[in-house]
Amino acid sequence: GNSVTQMEGPVTLSEEAFLTINCTYTATGYPSLFWYVQYPGEGLQLLLKATKADDKGSNKGFEATYRKETTSFHLEKGSVQVSDSAVYFCALSPPRGYNKLIFGAGTRLAVHP
Amino acid sequence: GAVVSQHPSWVICKSGTSVKIECRSLDFQATTMFWYRQFPKQSLMLMATSNEGSKATYEQGVEKDKFLINHASLTLSTLTVTSAHPEDSSFYICSAAPSGRETQYFGPGTRLLVL
Repeated sequence: GNSVTQMEGPVTLSEEAFLTINCTYTATGYPSLFWYVQYPGEGLQLLLKATKADDKGSNKGFEATYRKETTSFHLEKGSVQVSDSAVYFCALSPPRGYNKLIFGAGTRLAVHP
Repeated sequence: GAVVSQHPSWVICKSGTSVKIECRSLDFQATTMFWYRQFPKQSLMLMATSNEGSKATYEQGVEKDKFLINHASLTLSTLTVTSAHPEDSSFYICSAAPSGRETQYFGPGTRLLVL
């Protein structure tokens, strides 16, 4: 079946630190991969996505590369800010899945000044 | 753009009553809307896919008679939790996909507490 596994949080970093949130997936075929972010009190927002192997999604300084050989889509940012504090969800959409999304458990990030 | 609203944002009800949650796409039309349920510190679990003008498609293990979904227009889908019980207490989230596009836009969620 299809599933997404994320590293457990919370992740606590100081401002300007390097961020990595690991995400691996299990899927048949070639799914699309997504990172969503949920800021306190708000709905989930699409952060970035990649639709095929070796694609790199990027937005707001965040990046993730679709790695088929390791079935991974790790989220990275070179220098985090306090405003990046949120919950990050990795998700996949199966091929021919009619836009269904399967989410990981979410990783809470807290950035201190 | 691409804003999705939910109403109410939170609701407390007595066991045995029914609760209706609305999901609206404010600035786009959505042929498809999705309903998710999120337990504390857990992931979002897809409950059903709501298609405008047709019956919703429920995920395995979700009782369709318990969670009634109506997608009456291209901007509104409703989820009714019928005869709610304490185990139905959860955070319910909807999303909407603009017609012909893959990206989903999420509402802020509705917290339901059944006493």
